[in-house]
Amino acid sequence: DVKVTQSSRYLVKRTGEKVFLECVQDMDHENMFWYRQDPGLGLRLIYFSYDVKMKEKGDIPEGYSVSREKKERFSLILESASTNQTSMYLCASSPRTGRVGDNEQFFGPGTRLTVL
Amino acid sequence: GEDVEQSLFLSVREGDSSVINCTYTDSSSTYLYWYKQEPGAGLQLLTYIFSNMDMKQDQRLTVLLNKKDKHLSLRIADTQTGDSAIYFCAERKGGYQKVTFGTGTKLQVIP
Repeated sequence: DVKVTQSSRYLVKRTGEKVFLECVQDMDHENMFWYRQDPGLGLRLIYFSYDVKMKEKGDIPEGYSVSREKKERFSLILESASTNQTSMYLCASSPRTGRVGDNEQFFGPGTRLTVL
Repeated sequence: GEDVEQSLFLSVREGDSSVINCTYTDSSSTYLYWYKQEPGAGLQLLTYIFSNMDMKQDQRLTVLLNKKDKHLSLRIADTQTGDSAIYFCAERKGGYQKVTFGTGTKLQVIP
């Protein structure tokens, strides 16, 4: 059974703290994504990676950075957490092929981050 | 630009049909998806359609695509309480790995 796991389901941090969100997939997928989900705004792409050590900015990269040192792991880093980064964070992975069925994104269960 | 819009909320009675609508602005989108998010979970792919198709049926699900109006809809026949979830439409351009998701529609099924 394919799986995307995220390190925490719930996380509470203080303003100014450095926060690491980890995501691991066991499907040998090339692509990995970090989204944040906010009511009324849907999913917004923060960063994605299409290969080890490769990263590209999504629609809302400000205040975030990422790391992909191994194919199965994609980390999202909040350098200095702020209250407006309180959100649900979703990680996803997908294979890199030309066929649409194989471009299905597989999602983790999400991490609900609260920044106080 | 790439914007994918959906109405935020839909309420239907159990056994009725549900129709969830989506509009997108990027006419070069080649693949369109519907994802379902159950409470406390990540998203799961329900179905998808190529932009050269008008319709796709998969058991209780029917996807309609009006490419001229950039309008996508998902019809769920005989809606059940287990269909209560948030439904996201999404678009992708051929050759690109990135997918743009809509704002999501929360479907409430009333017993």
